[in-house]
Amino acid sequence: EDQVTQSPEALRLQEGESSSLNCSYTVSGLRGLFWYRQDPGKGPEFLFTLYSAGEEKEKERLKATLTKKESFLHITAPKPEDSATYLCAGGGNTDKLIFGTGTRLQVFP
Amino acid sequence: EAQVTQNPRYLITVTGKKLTVTCSQNMNHEYMSWYRQDPGLGLRQIYYSMNVEVTDKGDVPEGYKVSRKEKRNFPLILESPSPNQTSLYFCASSDRGPSDGYTFGSGTRLTVV
Repeated sequence: EDQVTQSPEALRLQEGESSSLNCSYTVSGLRGLFWYRQDPGKGPEFLFTLYSAGEEKEKERLKATLTKKESFLHITAPKPEDSATYLCAGGGNTDKLIFGTGTRLQVFP
Repeated sequence: EAQVTQNPRYLITVTGKKLTVTCSQNMNHEYMSWYRQDPGLGLRQIYYSMNVEVTDKGDVPEGYKVSRKEKRNFPLILESPSPNQTSLYFCASSDRGPSDGYTFGSGTRLTVV
């Protein structure tokens, strides 16, 4: 059965303290690994798609990487405005997106 | 502006009273989907549509109906809502399928009492 697991569930960081969020996946015939950002009371906002192991993508303080079993979202020198829930999702043979339950990130000044 | 618009944003209703949540997209996307989001369970797909007049069940379709008469609209219908359908609902669209990445609506918070 396809599955996506995110860790940790919650992460508290001091402003400027870099860290990584983990997404472990078991998705048959992976076509894409997606990262979304979700602010409270809002819909998820697309960040990145990764298609193959070894691929990396960057946007401002965020960098997403992909291996055959995991994806990482690295946050460098985070700011309070980076506080949000980050969702990972895998799309595979079934052409459905399987979402993880998210990592709730809080960045304190 | 490219967007997915859901209405209403908030809704409180009583058990058994039929309701419809509307969803409209202005990107000419073929694929549309409804999700519900519950604490600890993440986003779960209710129904999806690959094009006009083509709909199929997702992972949690019980108690819901959908229709796709026009490409831009994909309403979610709860014919007899129950308290276990209290949730945060999202409509999403993508160009040809979920592997293209979704654009999500802002959500509808539904409470059934």
